[in-house]
Parts: sequence; C-alpha cells; structure tokens
Amino acid sequence: GAGVSQSPSNKVTEKGKDVELRCDPISGHTALYWYRQSLGQGLEFLIYFQGNSAPDKSGLPSDRFSAERTGGSVSTLTIQRTQQEDSAVYLCASSPRRTQETQYFGPGTRLLVL
Amino acid sequence: AQSVSQHNHHVILSEAASLELGCNYSYGGTVNLFWYVQYPGQHLQLLLKYFSGDPLVKGIKGFEAEFIKSKFSFNLRKPSVQWSDTAEYFCAVNPGAGSYQLTFGKGTKLSVIP
Repeated sequence: GAGVSQSPSNKVTEKGKDVELRCDPISGHTALYWYRQSLGQGLEFLIYFQGNSAPDKSGLPSDRFSAERTGGSVSTLTIQRTQQEDSAVYLCASSPRRTQETQYFGPGTRLLVL
Repeated sequence: AQSVSQHNHHVILSEAASLELGCNYSYGGTVNLFWYVQYPGQHLQLLLKYFSGDPLVKGIKGFEAEFIKSKFSFNLRKPSVQWSDTAEYFCAVNPGAGSYQLTFGKGTKLSVIP
C-alpha cells in the first residue's frame, strides 16, 4: 500500500519568506508526527496530532512554526519568516495507534533557506 | 528530559566483520526501544523494536539488539555485515504507557568496505 508522502521533496527559499510543507499520512492512520533532522542534531520531535484531539506542540522551536491537520488526514507545517537555521530535512510520520505502534516515515522535505 | 546517546558517529568495517552499535538512554521508567535505518537516498525504516518480553530481539536483515535494563542500553548487533548494510542507524526511545513522541539519538553512520 501507499506509504507516507511529503511534498515538496526539496524547497529553496529566501530568508524571511514563509514556507508550507505538506504530509499525506498512510490511509487509516490516526496519529501524525512532524520531526526535523538537522546536520549534527539528529531527529527532533516538533508536533504530534492524534485524531481530533488538540495537537501536542511542545517540540515546536518558536512561534514562527505552526501546523494544521485537516479532516484528520493531510497535515501542513508552516514556517513563517524563515531563518537560515531552519534549513533541515522535515520528516513526517504516521502510526495507526497513539502509543506503541511503529511510526512510518515519509521521505522528508529538504528545506534550504538562503 | 529523556535523551538517547549513540557512542559512535561513524563506523567503518570490512565485509564479514561483526558489528555492534551502542545505544544508551536516560529514562528511569518503562520504555519502548527502536532501531531505525536510513539507507542512502531512502526513507527511515524500522529495523527492530522492543516493547516487552525477551530482551533479545531480532529484526530484519539479520540484525538483533539486546535490551539490558540495568545498563539502560539497547545495542544493535550483526554477526557479519555486508556492503548493503552501509547506512545510517538511529536508536530511538519512547516512554511507553501513553507516550507517543520518539526521542532519537544522533545516529551512527556505517560504511562497509567490500
């Protein structure tokens, strides 16, 4: 079956511009996660959605970052007024249950802020 | 806050050599433990996981890992590596019991020389 998909695969933007990154989770998965993979930093948790519950935003690094999940499916991560330190690979994952099920990762969006 | 340490940044081995990648975590309670692998140009994918039961878990492609609770460790092993095992390996943990986000180590890059 189809896995997690993300778009765009690559994004180059200028400092100060806003960007939107999209994630399509595996059909039927109720939980969706965003992570960021920076050089030398490993993967950092950003935000988590579970069904219609309020998202856990505890990992978002600043108020320039926000995310939405529409209809319990597709999610969009928005970064406003991008900075060079936002350059990273942004990974989306989904899982069929909130806790112990394995997270299935998408290919990521590579963001470069010039 | 919980953290995950991977001892080696880059490991270089010849084919048929044995592999052990270290992973230690800091969390005193129940944990779920994972090893993920990222082959060049591919998604993160699950290699193996430990939730409970036998502390020696077997994963795909001949990999195994041993959970040693007293040492807070979950080391990954393979008796004989192949060139196709060249990849980056990530150890991850979540506290279980209702937790959801994964905390990752910074990864270990494995290069296998033919």
